[in-house]
Amino acid sequence: QVQLQESGPGLVKPSETLSLTCSVSGDSINTYYWNWIRQPPGKGLEWIGYIYSSGSTTYNPSLKSRVIITVDTSKNEFSLKLTSVTPADTAIYYCARGDRELHPWGQGTLVTVSS
Amino acid sequence: LVLTQSPSASAPLGASVKLTCTLTTGQKTFQTFAIAWHQQQPGKGPRYLMNVNSDGTHSAGDGLPDRFSGSSSGSERYLTISSLQSEDEADYYCQTWGTAIDVVFGGGTKLTVL
Repeated sequence: QVQLQESGPGLVKPSETLSLTCSVSGDSINTYYWNWIRQPPGKGLEWIGYIYSSGSTTYNPSLKSRVIITVDTSKNEFSLKLTSVTPADTAIYYCARGDRELHPWGQGTLVTVSS
Repeated sequence: LVLTQSPSASAPLGASVKLTCTLTTGQKTFQTFAIAWHQQQPGKGPRYLMNVNSDGTHSAGDGLPDRFSGSSSGSERYLTISSLQSEDEADYYCQTWGTAIDVVFGGGTKLTVL
């Protein structure tokens, strides 16, 4: 059974860089695509981007200038960096597997941007 | 490509409800798009339910009760939940792929079980 678990700081200061990691168990990260999605409090889902095990990435154009997604196949995990954050980046951040339907999902981690 | 969902829906306990996801694009190829439905119960992360194909067939995720079914007509994709239970009260999102933005979500429908 594939499981994904997000981890990282829950509080980030404005203008700094948000960094999160998604650990994958029960499946090799060398297959499939691996995604980051976020959900501001009380709002809907926004896709951030995905990475393949080769390191190939695709990002949402609205965030592309600030996003970097990387993969570490030796640790079976992938990571998200979002630079120059503002309070508008406050959200629950999810990781998920897939290049078609997103499945399964991690449980999510809340990141608050505040000084 | 834009996915449009009604913000809210409601139905009595034990009844059926049909949620709609409408695909809108400048091209007429929307009719070939498949979508996925996801459920998000209060305070939880999203859970994949099923794919709905343009031909109206659907493929459900593991362990999904057969109370949940999918169908389609033209630019619309549907999720039907029968014999509504209290735990079906949740937000439901449609999602597609292969567009210019690669992964797109609808705005979600909040389902209330009366």
